[in-house]
Amino acid sequence: DAKTTQPPSMDCAEGRAANLPCNHSTISGNEYVYWYRQIHSQGPQYIIHGLKNNETNEMASLIITEDRKSSTLILPHATLRDTAVYYCIVRVARNSGYALNFGKGTSLLVTP
Amino acid sequence: DAGVTQSPTHLIKTRGQQVTLRCSPKSGHDTVSWYQQALGQGPQFIFQYYEEEERQRGNFPDRFSGHQFPNYSSELNVNALLLGDSALYLCASSLGETNSPLHFGNGTRLTVT
Repeated sequence: DAKTTQPPSMDCAEGRAANLPCNHSTISGNEYVYWYRQIHSQGPQYIIHGLKNNETNEMASLIITEDRKSSTLILPHATLRDTAVYYCIVRVARNSGYALNFGKGTSLLVTP
Repeated sequence: DAGVTQSPTHLIKTRGQQVTLRCSPKSGHDTVSWYQQALGQGPQFIFQYYEEEERQRGNFPDRFSGHQFPNYSSELNVNALLLGDSALYLCASSLGETNSPLHFGNGTRLTVT
């Protein structure tokens, strides 16, 4: 699976949009981009995933560049509860399931 | 709708001992994966079980073994514990061999002294 590069930390003011970048320049055509987050003392939580098109759900939006070499996770109105480590993961679905390579992620701090 | 449950939540063992951690998947899920998360690091994949068989394995020694039961629940066993095995052990479940996202439990904190 392709490797990803994320900034180690970011800050965001409460109520503003949080834009978390991820670089995956070696991504292959059949690899998906997944985002998970981990709030302190909890297990990782699935946020969103996509292949080529931009995706949106009740939690966030995922913007994937046309060449698929980078993506941005957008939390439209960040709250204090969004403070967490955010992981961008690229993986291909194998016939017998898949393993996720988490990396170190981006530690997002939402401030009042 | 119960999510992924893990037991125990905390455990303290002595070097050289053996430990068994347990996981019940989210209702409707049939695939279980185990991850190890050292302090300050992202989770590392240990192995995955589907249809009671180990389907994928990460870069972990044979001291780490597992089992999946007919009701889809799973156990992680670690033999001959080392100090370096101290970590948060996470269980995740998903639906079959699909693109479905993983749902994680809150983990078992293992401390080896």
